[in-house]
Amino acid sequence: AQTVTQSQPEMSVQEAETVTLSCTYDTSENNYYLFWYKQPPSRQMILVIRQEAYKQQNATENRFSVNFQKAAKSFSLKISDSQLGDTAMYFCAFMKHARDDKIIFGKGTRLHILP
Amino acid sequence: GEEVAQTPKHLVRGEGQKAKLYCAPIKGHSYVFWYQQVLKNEFKFLISFQNENVFDETGMPKERFSAKCLPNSPCSLEIQATKLEDSAVYFCASSRTGQGDGYTFGSGTRLTVV
Repeated sequence: AQTVTQSQPEMSVQEAETVTLSCTYDTSENNYYLFWYKQPPSRQMILVIRQEAYKQQNATENRFSVNFQKAAKSFSLKISDSQLGDTAMYFCAFMKHARDDKIIFGKGTRLHILP
Repeated sequence: GEEVAQTPKHLVRGEGQKAKLYCAPIKGHSYVFWYQQVLKNEFKFLISFQNENVFDETGMPKERFSAKCLPNSPCSLEIQATKLEDSAVYFCASSRTGQGDGYTFGSGTRLTVV
């Protein structure tokens, strides 16, 4: 069975700083997808970034980038120039490369951006 | 529309009462997923559909939970005889391909059982 582990329950950084959120996962699959979702206080789940395991290149979306280390089964999220609006829960998630398969979520990291 | 519409936003039920939650997926999305987010923020998968067919129901407490996705109707999740531990936010998500494009989530229904 697949598992996703986020070892940082809570983090705080100053506005404009860079912050990295950690995520490791366990799977025997070779092809899969990884995601980071943001859940602000409004509780809406927002897809931040996705990575396909068979792609070597790390995904980036504006200020958000990932460090995907397939051999180490690590998928960290880097937020550059953090903004107050980045304050949220962040969930790392895994999905097998199979039709209809469910997404498995980590327990989340609560990120506070301080003014 | 381009959003997953969940209704109601909030629902309060007395223990033992029935609760019914609704989800309208994005038009053109064939895959629907239900998740339960409990107070510790953990997500628990409940059930998935491809159109009106159940694909995976391994997360459903079958004795009290049921779900449907019928043509031309919102999908529904029903809890018979609610218990205190059913208090949670229930999220519906839809996907066009079901193959890693990521889900689009609704804003959730907060169920409080008192």
